[in-house]
Amino acid sequence: AQSVTQPDIHITVSEGASLELRCNYSYGATPYLFWYVQSPGQGLQLLLKYFSGDTLVQGIKGFEAEFKRSQSSFNLRKPSVHWSDAAEYFCAVDPIYNQGGKLIFGQGTELSVKP
Amino acid sequence: EAGVVQSPRYKIIEKKQPVAFWCNPISGHNTLYWYLQNLGQGPELLIRYENEEAVDDSQLPKDRFSAERLKGVDSTLKIQPAELGDSAVYLCASSFSGDTGELFFGEGSRLTVL
Repeated sequence: AQSVTQPDIHITVSEGASLELRCNYSYGATPYLFWYVQSPGQGLQLLLKYFSGDTLVQGIKGFEAEFKRSQSSFNLRKPSVHWSDAAEYFCAVDPIYNQGGKLIFGQGTELSVKP
Repeated sequence: EAGVVQSPRYKIIEKKQPVAFWCNPISGHNTLYWYLQNLGQGPELLIRYENEEAVDDSQLPKDRFSAERLKGVDSTLKIQPAELGDSAVYLCASSFSGDTGELFFGEGSRLTVL
C-alpha cells in the first residue's frame, strides 16, 4: 500500500546537538517530497522540498534533507538544534506529480529540545 | 501580507449539533484545501478547490460534511450533525495552481464534540 512513514513519534535532543528525523515512503515511483513544521497552535510551514536533481536540498531555518532512492527515504537533518526548533515535523509526498498538491502526510515526529 | 485566516479557532459543541468553519485564503491563491488533523496524526485531505470548483472531494464524508467556495475566494466547511469522532483540527490551506507542494496553512479550527 502507498504510505509515508515517520518511524519516530517523539525525539528529544539537547540544544546544540545534531538532529536527524526519518521519513520513508512507499510508492511505485519517486514522488515529490516535502518537510513541513508545525509549532504549537500554528499552521504548518514548508521547510523544504525535493522534485529532482541534487539529492541534498537546503531549506529554511538551517534544515536540509537528503533523498536516497535506494532506501526510499527523505531524512531531515540539522547540524545544531536550537530551542526554538521544538515542534512537530511532518514528511509529506505528492505522489501524482503536481496534480494539484494532494499531499499525503506522515503521522509526524514531535521534537523536544532540552537545555 | 496576510496569511490564511480561519475562524473560529476553537469550537465546542454537543453531538448532533451543526458547526461551520470559515477560511479566507491568501489573496490570489486560486487553490484551496481543507485538511482534517486528528490528534497525533498528520493532516488528511478532505476537499480541494480550484477556484469555485471542487476538483477532489473523494475523502469528504458527504453524508454529514459539506463545503462551498462561492466566488472562488472564501470557503466554508460544514458538519451536520456532528459526531463525537469529528473532534479534530480542521486546517485550511491555499496555494497558487502549479506552485508544486508549497501549501500555506492557516492556524486551524479545533473542534471538540461532547
